[in-house]
Amino acid sequence: NAGVTQTPKFQVLKTGQSMTLQCAQDMNHNSMYWYRQDPGMGLRLIYYSASEGTTDKGEVPNGYNVSRLNKREFSLRLESAAPSQTSVYFCASLGLAGGYSYNEQFFGPGTRLTVL
Amino acid sequence: SQQGEEDPQALSIQEGENATMNCSYKTSINNLQWYRQNSGRGLVHLILIRSNEREKHSGRLRVTLDTSKKSSSLLITASRAADTASYFCATDSGGYQKVTFGTGTKLQVIP
Repeated sequence: NAGVTQTPKFQVLKTGQSMTLQCAQDMNHNSMYWYRQDPGMGLRLIYYSASEGTTDKGEVPNGYNVSRLNKREFSLRLESAAPSQTSVYFCASLGLAGGYSYNEQFFGPGTRLTVL
Repeated sequence: SQQGEEDPQALSIQEGENATMNCSYKTSINNLQWYRQNSGRGLVHLILIRSNEREKHSGRLRVTLDTSKKSSSLLITASRAADTASYFCATDSGGYQKVTFGTGTKLQVIP
């Protein structure tokens, strides 16, 4: 049981390049999330997917697109990277915990992205 | 905008001391959770407190919630060097997509 996995761990892009961040979970969770984390800003929600086949914008969606490929996988795409997108990106899934009494988010290890 | 704001932003204490960090939030919540993040890692869930609870314990962790003041505190007793990490509160206002994270407190425990 690997939990939530993300690839790549590190990436350096030039302004204008595109890339896709991959995320997968093996916990059979319905909901998945993409966050970005910047110093002093905490975690900000980019996009989420409440279930397979649905995606919705979060707090900071501009410049990103997502695909919920199947129940396991949720990818984040930067079509034309900008220096303002330099950040650490976390994928998370939501599942029941505490004896099924509440929802808990499970996080991947993160992707450190630098845009030059 | 951030729902939760942690205070202090950074805290440095000696091993064995207690560490207290606070979280304030803006709107009504269903529950409040605390997460821990080790440097370069993802967040890990620590403890949850529901809106109808005032205090909860888990090992060396004690969480309090004051809904009238819209604030929560996390106390780590008898701190260890391994407790060095950033701690985030996360509020759930209903609907799982509305979980919102605060800005975090960076705790350093000096051996």
